[in-house]
Amino acid sequence: EVQLVESGGGLVQPGRSLRLSCAVARSTFDDYAMHWVRQTPGKGLEWVSGISWDSGSIGYADSVKGRFTISRDNGKNSLYLQMNSLRAEDTALYYCAKGLSSRWNYSSFDIWGQGTMVTVST
Amino acid sequence: QSALTQPASVSGSPGQSMTISCTGTSSDVGNYNLVSWYQHHPGKAPKLMIYEVSKWPSGVSNRFSGSKSANTASLTISGLQAEDEADYYCCSYAGSSTWVFGGGTKLTVL
Repeated sequence: EVQLVESGGGLVQPGRSLRLSCAVARSTFDDYAMHWVRQTPGKGLEWVSGISWDSGSIGYADSVKGRFTISRDNGKNSLYLQMNSLRAEDTALYYCAKGLSSRWNYSSFDIWGQGTMVTVST
Repeated sequence: QSALTQPASVSGSPGQSMTISCTGTSSDVGNYNLVSWYQHHPGKAPKLMIYEVSKWPSGVSNRFSGSKSANTASLTISGLQAEDEADYYCCSYAGSSTWVFGGGTKLTVL
């Protein structure tokens, strides 16, 4: 069974940076699109960013564009999210999620990790 | 990238059917057959229930079904069970490698 494990969350001051990682076990990682989705405390899910299986297509939510950068290392079965200029409103539980279909960039998110919490506060 | 519109809450009795709506625009829900639905129990990872409007992932009960008309997608749960009580989110592809979720609907099984 495929497993996704996020790490890198924590408490950070506004304006600082943080890098999240997502390790993918037991999957042909490099065949699937990957995404970051967050859930703010007491609120709903928000898609943050996604990257195609070959890194050829990348998208960002308007709320993070220009501040966050998604990347992947297929050799390490890992997904990353570099978060710069963090704001209080970025405080959330960050999930990584795997695309359902192999080598197709428009598939839904079939496997999710348990999330890593990011808190932006003084 | 405005969030899709879902009712904040719905409720029903065991055995009943329940439909949750998800309204977007011609730029997302209305333009692509790429709507999915997720079940989210607090403290757990979200679970994919329906993809590409009406398809079932492996292992998901066929009590869950999806449909779409114009800019509105719907999730129907038939034969409500206690374990169906959860938050449900719709999600649509919105073009240019972006996706958008709905605000979520809390389903209560009375």
